[in-house]
Amino acid sequence: GAGVSQSPSNKVTEKGKDVELRCDPISGHTALYWYRQRLGQGLEFLIYFQGNSAPDKSGLPSDRFSAERTGESVSTLTIQRTQQEDSAVYLCASSPRTGVSNQPQHFGDGTRLSIL
Amino acid sequence: AQSVTQLDSHVSVSEGTPVLLRCNYSSSYSPSLFWYVQHPNKGLQLLLKYTSAATLVKGINGFEAEFKKSETSFHLTKPSAHMSDAAEYFCVVGSSASKIIFGSGTRLSIRP
Repeated sequence: GAGVSQSPSNKVTEKGKDVELRCDPISGHTALYWYRQRLGQGLEFLIYFQGNSAPDKSGLPSDRFSAERTGESVSTLTIQRTQQEDSAVYLCASSPRTGVSNQPQHFGDGTRLSIL
Repeated sequence: AQSVTQLDSHVSVSEGTPVLLRCNYSSSYSPSLFWYVQHPNKGLQLLLKYTSAATLVKGINGFEAEFKKSETSFHLTKPSAHMSDAAEYFCVVGSSASKIIFGSGTRLSIRP
């Protein structure tokens, strides 16, 4: 079956531009997570959506970052006025139940974002 | 509060020898624990998970981990390393009261 799909796989943009990253979770998965992974580092939690509840945005690093999800489907992560420190791999994951932390997450291959 | 510590940032072993990747956790609740593997330019793949059913958990690709409550550890082992095991490994803890926390990762290198 289809896994978590992220697009684009790579994105190069100039400093100051806005970027939009997309995540298609596994069908039926109610929880969706966004992470940032800087080169050679671990995962940094950004935001998660759990069903129709208000998202947990506690990991977003600044107000330049925002994310949306329509129901239990596609999510987009938007970074406005990109800075060089935003360069990283952005990973999306989904899991089959809402906000239950004993459920394993299924990851996409990520979007590699490079800010020139 | 919960946390997870991976004790080694890099482990190097020879092909065919045992692998040990160490993880210690801290949790106020009965934790759920996971190990994930990340190959270059890929997302994370679940190796195994512990959710209080059995203390010795078997995962994919010959890996297993033992939950030791007295030591607050969840070390990952494999009897015989293969070249394809070279990757980054993440220990993860979750509980009923908090989000999932990822360790900082251990890079496993395999020498021919």
